[in-house]
Amino acid sequence: QQQVKQSPQSLIVQKGGISIINCAYENTAFDYFPWYQQFPGKGPALLIAIRPDVSEKKEGRFTISFNKSAKQFSLHIMDSQPGDSATYFCAARNSGGYNKLIFGAGTRLAVHP
Amino acid sequence: EAGVAQSPRYKIIEKRQSVAFWCNPISGHATLYWYQQILGQGPKLLIQFQNNGVVDDSQLPKDRFSAERLKGVDSTLKIQPAKLEDSAVYLCASSSTSGSEQFFGPGTRLTVL
Repeated sequence: QQQVKQSPQSLIVQKGGISIINCAYENTAFDYFPWYQQFPGKGPALLIAIRPDVSEKKEGRFTISFNKSAKQFSLHIMDSQPGDSATYFCAARNSGGYNKLIFGAGTRLAVHP
Repeated sequence: EAGVAQSPRYKIIEKRQSVAFWCNPISGHATLYWYQQILGQGPKLLIQFQNNGVVDDSQLPKDRFSAERLKGVDSTLKIQPAKLEDSAVYLCASSSTSGSEQFFGPGTRLTVL
């Protein structure tokens, strides 16, 4: 029940295309859903985050869509660029914890020019 | 603002040896996290400190792993004795008391031979 399931494992997109990564969870006590971006040799960095009282959040080319009833959320990267090539992790936080994050397994995105 | 610092960046040891990792969080951040990231997986929380007290160590293999955060600032994570399956990147992160965002360091890549 503490898991966050992420798909796909890897994704190849052409430059200018839309990248979509999906996550699903079971625990209804999760209250914060961030997406982290990780480049090789670097630590993860927060990209965008959403709380369950909002169905969508957009920051530049990055959008989170959140479906509370389905317990699913997704990251959409519009106009994907080669510089977006990285590994993306979704995560979820239990409202009863101390800001503890449960991470998905990650999606390796490659954007081809 | 300086980020989370970690050292060493890389470490290669033989199984059954001991190893220690150091982390210096962002100045003023009360919460410090140690994660284990095995190749191809998302980060898994090992231990979380609030100031110099432990608030979550439920996934720390306590028979071989230990961590401390003296004076509520720097932290050290130790493995003794190391096993082959401990090969991973060890990430340190920090966050402010009121903030949700976790800021990650570059990690220490441990290889156990």
